[in-house]
Order: sequence, then structure tokens, then C-alpha cells
Amino acid sequence: NAGVTQTPKFRILKIGQSMTLQCTQDMNHNYMYWYRQDPGMGLKLIYYSVGAGITDKGEVPNGYNVSRSTTEDFPLRLELAAPSQTSVYFCASSYAGAGEQYFGPGTRLTVT
Amino acid sequence: AQSVTQPDIHITVSEGASLELRCNYSYGATPYLFWYVQSPGQGLQLLLKYFSGDTLVQGIKGFEAEFKRSQSSFNLRKPSVHWSDAAEYFCAVGAELTGGGNKLTFGTGTQLKVEL
Repeated sequence: NAGVTQTPKFRILKIGQSMTLQCTQDMNHNYMYWYRQDPGMGLKLIYYSVGAGITDKGEVPNGYNVSRSTTEDFPLRLELAAPSQTSVYFCASSYAGAGEQYFGPGTRLTVT
Repeated sequence: AQSVTQPDIHITVSEGASLELRCNYSYGATPYLFWYVQSPGQGLQLLLKYFSGDTLVQGIKGFEAEFKRSQSSFNLRKPSVHWSDAAEYFCAVGAELTGGGNKLTFGTGTQLKVEL
């Protein structure tokens, strides 16, 4: 199993550009999550999904959108990139709602 | 709302010495507690978790943690640190989300440096 994979690993965006961060898991997990990690801070939950077709907002959803058309994939969309979205983004998945979450390697995004 | 405090931002220990990383949480019900480790440029790896039962839990890489409800603490320990343990360590508390799922609230992390 590859676990949770994320692409790209690094990306530089100009203000106002858009992009999609990809996340795929091969563990047949129902629950998937997007977090962002800023320097000196813990991870903050952006969006989560409890299954295909079902998504909901986390703590810091503004400026982001998600979709979940399959169990495996949970892409995160940035429509109008802003410098405040410069961060490291982690995708995670879990089998059970209360189970441990398995994290991808992250995407380091810089918006200039 | 739940919260996690890791009071030590940086800790330096000598290789072979014992280690204790502190974690205090705030949560209204019985918490799900986790310790994750993050090496530079990597994702987070689960070290251990507490859901219920025995308050002393064993994890990978020789780590253990003890849940103390009276102190709202979940400190991570290792009897003898190896140079490869140098990394950032995150404590997290889990809470159920509306509609299912489990929101992890993380502490700000403790950066561990190991001196040879």
C-alpha cells in the first residue's frame, strides 16, 4: 500500500492564481481530512469528508473548496490564491471516525 | 472547545538520556489522545494513541505515554534517546465531528534536538 499520497510536493503561485492539491489514499478509508500547518503552529483542519459525496467545513475553510467523488480521492481547490495561504498542506485519512489518522507527505505552497 | 498545550517549544537531550515531552489538554469528555512525530520535510507518523483502558500506552520506536485524567496530561516518554529521534513531536486530542469523523486539535509541537 502506498498509503496517502499528495501531489505536488512543492508549488509557487502568484496572487490570484488557482490550483488543486491532489490527495489519494489506497486504504479504503471513509474519512479524509485536509489540514494546513503554519510555522510554529499546530495543524488546523480545513475541510473533511466522511464518505464519497459528503464534505464539511473545518476550522479554517475560507478560500478553499473540496469535493469527494470517489472513496480514494479528496482534492483541495484554491480559487484565488492569497499570501495568507502560504503554508504546508497535509491530507489525512482514517478508517473509523475516531480512529488514528494517516498523513500524506504534504504539499509546500508559497503564494507571492 | 478542545485545546492542547505543549509548554516546551525546544528540548535538547544527550543521546542515551531519558526524555519526557509534556502535553496538557482541555476537553469536556473522555479524550482520544495521540502523539505524532514529524521528521523534516515529512508527514506526520503516529507514535501512539490512547482511547480507553490502561492509562500507560506503548508505541513504536520505544516510546510510551501516560494518561493522567486528574492532571489533564498525556506526557510522552522514552528511557534512552537515539540520535534518530531528533524531530518535531505533536500531541493531539480528538473530538467527534458533526456528522462523523474525528477532528484532531494539535499542540504547537516540541522540537527535539539530540546531542551526540
